[in-house]
Amino acid sequence: EIVMTQSPATLSVSPGERATLSCRASQSVSSNLAWYQQKPGQAPRLLIYGTSTRATGIPARFSGSGSGTEFTLTISSLQSEDFAVYYCQQYNNWPWTFGQGTKVEIK
Amino acid sequence: EVQLVESGGGLVQPGGSLRLSCSASGFTFSSYAMHWVRQAPGKGLEYVSAISSNGGSTYYADSVKGRFTISRDNSKNTLYLQMSSLRAEVLAVYYCVKERSGWYPSWGQGTLVTVSS
Repeated sequence: EIVMTQSPATLSVSPGERATLSCRASQSVSSNLAWYQQKPGQAPRLLIYGTSTRATGIPARFSGSGSGTEFTLTISSLQSEDFAVYYCQQYNNWPWTFGQGTKVEIK
Repeated sequence: EVQLVESGGGLVQPGGSLRLSCSASGFTFSSYAMHWVRQAPGKGLEYVSAISSNGGSTYYADSVKGRFTISRDNSKNTLYLQMSSLRAEVLAVYYCVKERSGWYPSWGQGTLVTVSS
C-alpha cells in the first residue's frame, strides 16, 4: 500500500501568518490527493480534493498544490479557528491511505 | 443536508462481537459507496472497510479481513459493520463516511468501540 508521510509533525504559527504543510507519497498518486481538518472531539472535515479543489464552504485562504508524490497545503493567513490537525489522503491506489497528520498550533 | 449517524459502539469483551450501524439521510444513499474509517485514541485515521453503492463489492483492510463484515440495506438507508473476534487493538472511534470519487465529503460523528475484560 502507498505510505503517506506528512511533515512537520507539529507546526507552530502565529495568527495571521502563513502555514505550509507537506505530504509525500511513497509512489505517485497522480493528483488524487485530499486534505482534511480535524479539531479535538470532532470528525474530520474535507478541505481539498483533487489536489487543489476546495470543498464546499472552504475559505479561499486554504489552497492545495502538487502532483505525483509531493503535495502542499497552504493556509495563507491563519485564523484562530484553523488551529487543528490536518491529514492528507491518497485515493489513487487501493487501499486509500492517510498521512499521520500535522498539528498546527498557536505560536 | 447530509447526515450520518453511527450507533452500536460500546464496551465488549475480548473475543466478542459488535455490530455498528450508520443511518444516512439527506442524500440518495443507494447511489454512493460507503466506508468505515477508524481512529485510535490520539492517533491518525485508518481505512477499515468499504462497500459499493449496490452492496455487490466489499473491501477490507488487511488488519480486519476475516473478522469484520460490511453490509448495507439501501431500503433502510443504513450501513453496517459486523465486528467479531474482537481484540484490544480495535479500540477506536469508528466513522461512517460517504465516499465521492475517492474522497470523503461527509463524515458521521463517530462511535467508540472499546475492548476490555
